[in-house]
Amino acid sequence: NAGVTQTPKFRVLKTGQSMTLLCAQDMNHEYMYWYRQDPGMGLRLIHYSVGEGTTAKGEVPDGYNVSRLKKQNFLLGLESAAPSQTSVYFCASRRIENTGELFFGEGSRLTVL
Amino acid sequence: AQSVTQLDSQVPVFEEAPVELRCNYSSSVSVYLFWYVQYPNQGLQLLLKYLSGSTLVKGINGFEAEFNKSQTSFHLRKPSVHISDTAEYFCAVIFVVNDYKLSFGAGTTVTVRA
Repeated sequence: NAGVTQTPKFRVLKTGQSMTLLCAQDMNHEYMYWYRQDPGMGLRLIHYSVGEGTTAKGEVPDGYNVSRLKKQNFLLGLESAAPSQTSVYFCASRRIENTGELFFGEGSRLTVL
Repeated sequence: AQSVTQLDSQVPVFEEAPVELRCNYSSSVSVYLFWYVQYPNQGLQLLLKYLSGSTLVKGINGFEAEFNKSQTSFHLRKPSVHISDTAEYFCAVIFVVNDYKLSFGAGTTVTVRA
C-alpha cells in the first residue's frame, strides 16, 4: 500500500540546471498538488490538478511547470533552477468527495547551489 | 484578504501537561478548517477537520479543536501530551469559494520534554 510516492527524495543541482520531480499515487485520487515547505512559511501551493490533463497555478508558480498526462502521476519541473528554489517539495492527493483530506508523500529535498 | 495565522512558532511542554496551539483565520467567505501534523522527516497527515455541525471536533491521538466563528479561531488542544507528540503542527483552511485549494499556516513546533 504505497499511497503517494515521490522521487527522487534528495537532489543537489547547480544554478541553471533542470530537473523533474515525479509524484505517483495508487489511490485513484482525482486531485493532486505540489507544495513547497520553507522554514517559518508553512506549505505554499505551487501548482495543482483537478484531473488528468488539467493543471492550474497556485500561490508560487513562477519557475515551475507541471504535467498530468496520467491520472496517477503529477510531474513538477524546474527548467532553470535558482538558489531560491532550494526547499522541501511535497506532493499530495485527495478524492473529490473528501474535502481537505490530503494524503502527502514523504517529501523531496532539493538544494540548488 | 484571506489568511491563516498560527500565533506560536514554538511551544515547549512537559510530558503529561496540556497543550493548546492557536490558529486564527481571516476570511469574508465560509471556511473549512483542518489541523495536520508532521513528524520528523515525514509528510503531513490529517489530525482532524471541521466542515460543519458541532463546533468541537475530535481527532486522532487524543487531539481536539474548537471552531469559534465570532473569533475566527480554530485552536487545537490535548489534555495530556506524550513524548511521541513532538512534531510540527499546521493549521489549514479552505476558503469555500474554491474548495480545491488548502492554505496552510506557518506551523507550530511542539517539543515535549520528560
